[in-house]
Amino acid sequence: NAGVTQTPKFRVLKTGQSMTLLCAQDMNHEYMYWYRQDPGMGLRLIHYSVGEGTTAKGEVPDGYNVSRLKKQNFLLGLESAAPSQTSVYFCASSYRSDRVGAFFGQGTRLTVV
Amino acid sequence: RKEVEQDPGPFNVPEGATVAFNCTYSNSASQSFFWYRQDCRKEPKLLMSVYSSGNEDGRFTAQLNRASQYISLLIRDSKLSDSATYLCVVNMESGGSYIPTFGRGTSLIVHP
Repeated sequence: NAGVTQTPKFRVLKTGQSMTLLCAQDMNHEYMYWYRQDPGMGLRLIHYSVGEGTTAKGEVPDGYNVSRLKKQNFLLGLESAAPSQTSVYFCASSYRSDRVGAFFGQGTRLTVV
Repeated sequence: RKEVEQDPGPFNVPEGATVAFNCTYSNSASQSFFWYRQDCRKEPKLLMSVYSSGNEDGRFTAQLNRASQYISLLIRDSKLSDSATYLCVVNMESGGSYIPTFGRGTSLIVHP
């Protein structure tokens, strides 16, 4: 049981390049989330999904797009990377009930130069 | 004003000490509360849920005060391995769904 798996673990991009971060979960969770974590800022929600085929904006969605074509996968895309998007990105998933906590992937460290 | 507020610390305590963290939240309609632990350069991991009546898990006790809109985490008999950042999480309602909203975390350093 792998839980929540993120790929890649590390990436360096040049300004203007694009990339996709993949999140996969094998726990049959309905909800999935993408957060970014920056020093002193805590975890901030980028986008989230409450089910296959649905996505919604979080606190800091600008510059990112997401897709949830399959229940187990949640993709985060950066169309034109900017240095301000240098961060650690965490994916998480949870059951539909709000009474349970979320499980996190190991994170992706992205540097945009 | 952030929806979930925590004192960033660091709290620097000796082994064996008792330490407590508080967290305040802005949305009085929030129903679910959690504490997570995050080690340096690692992902957050669920430590415990926080129930209205308060709950205990070994050396850890979590409490909820709805009237004052805060939750607390008490750690007794601190161990070196308790050194980490403790994140307060409140599930906030958004369009009919409940979304985990994180505080910025409280850093705990336990020294010999």
